[in-house]
Amino acid sequence: AQKITQTQPGMFVQEKEAVTLDCTYDTSDPSYGLFWYKQPSSGEMIFLIYQGSYDQQNATEGRYSLNFQKARKSANLVISASQLGDSAMYFCAILREAGTALIFGKGTTLSVSS
Amino acid sequence: DSGVTQTPKHLITATGQRVTLRCSPRSGDLSVYWYQQSLDQGLQFLIQYYNGEERAKGNILERFSAQQFPDLHSELNLSSLELGDSALYFCASSGGVRTDTQYFGPGTRLTVL
Repeated sequence: AQKITQTQPGMFVQEKEAVTLDCTYDTSDPSYGLFWYKQPSSGEMIFLIYQGSYDQQNATEGRYSLNFQKARKSANLVISASQLGDSAMYFCAILREAGTALIFGKGTTLSVSS
Repeated sequence: DSGVTQTPKHLITATGQRVTLRCSPRSGDLSVYWYQQSLDQGLQFLIQYYNGEERAKGNILERFSAQQFPDLHSELNLSSLELGDSALYFCASSGGVRTDTQYFGPGTRLTVL
């Protein structure tokens, strides 16, 4: 069975600082995908970034990057130059293969202050 | 905007009642997933449909059912509602160019009184 662990229930950062949100995973599948989603207080789930298990390079999407360490089974999200609008809950998720269900972690709340 | 639409946005009902949640996937997406988010259980997968056929089941109660119609929209039916069914219900879709990424709708917040 697959499992995602997010050990940081809450993180606090000031504007313009970088922040790393931790995610470790457990799977026995040789091929899988890792995702990060953002859930603001309004409730919607916003896709941020994807990393395939066979991707050679770490994924990047604008201010978001994924620090993927396959041997350690970690997929940390790095947000550079934090903004007030980054305040939200962040979920890490794993996908066994395309067309199957996502398994989510419990999430990390990020608070950005000015 | 993810391109996935869900109605209604909010739903308040009483125990024992039945409700229907509706989802329209992104244009071109064939897979629809339903997830439930509650404070105690977190985000849990309920059920998946692919091009009209049920593809996978997760932690879905027998009181809950779903279907996907020929136009690919999907409905989640919740019956004999209990207080514990109060949650945020998400629909997600995938199956476009990037077939593994699931895009979520805005959710339906169900409150059972």
